[in-house]
Amino acid sequence: DIQMTQSPSSLSASIGDRVSITCRASQAISRYLAWFQQKPGQVPKLLIYGASILQSGVPSRFSGSGSGTDFTLTITSLQPEDVATYYCQKYDTVPRTFGQGTRVELK
Amino acid sequence: EVQLVESGGGLVQPGGSLRLSCAASGFTFSTYAMHWVRQAPGKGLEYVAAINNNAGSTYHADSVRGRFAISRDNSKNLLFLQMGSLRAEDTAVYYCGRDLSHTTVTTVECWGQGTLVTVSA
Repeated sequence: DIQMTQSPSSLSASIGDRVSITCRASQAISRYLAWFQQKPGQVPKLLIYGASILQSGVPSRFSGSGSGTDFTLTITSLQPEDVATYYCQKYDTVPRTFGQGTRVELK
Repeated sequence: EVQLVESGGGLVQPGGSLRLSCAASGFTFSTYAMHWVRQAPGKGLEYVAAINNNAGSTYHADSVRGRFAISRDNSKNLLFLQMGSLRAEDTAVYYCGRDLSHTTVTTVECWGQGTLVTVSA
């Protein structure tokens, strides 16, 4: 099975900082990669699919890039409401594995 | 507005069974694949099962295969997860999810609020 590895596991950043989270697949998955945001005590929310397609209603400060095995979620200017855990997920084939998550906190 | 409402969670003894339900509304249920994803307390997301729009194809994660079964009733807009031989490690919030795509099985676009399953003696 293809493994999904996120880095870092957690990060602390200031308001307005540029934040990047990496997701690496152990084998190529083309662009079948989604990013989810889960705020504390809330349900996960789809942010990006197809590696770089922004889901409707998601702020433009979020962006995704990559293909094959290496992917990045970028928040261009961190806002207080972005405090959350972020997960990547492959969906090319089964199993549709999630990464282990990256916790984003405010410094 | 898409709504997914899970029910059926609760406390069950190891080795026991539960049937989770997910009532869907606000979209044409029969045209979308559906998913179950779980999250153990304080842990990350784990993909559990999926079913295509007409129930012709299902998938179960290795961790639940042979013990859990996903199904759906398109006439009643209901998704199910029959859970058996439950173990302590199955303790989690179980989320029902609607697929992103009309045409194939992809990822979860819409999520329910989740139902908590606790497996303990």
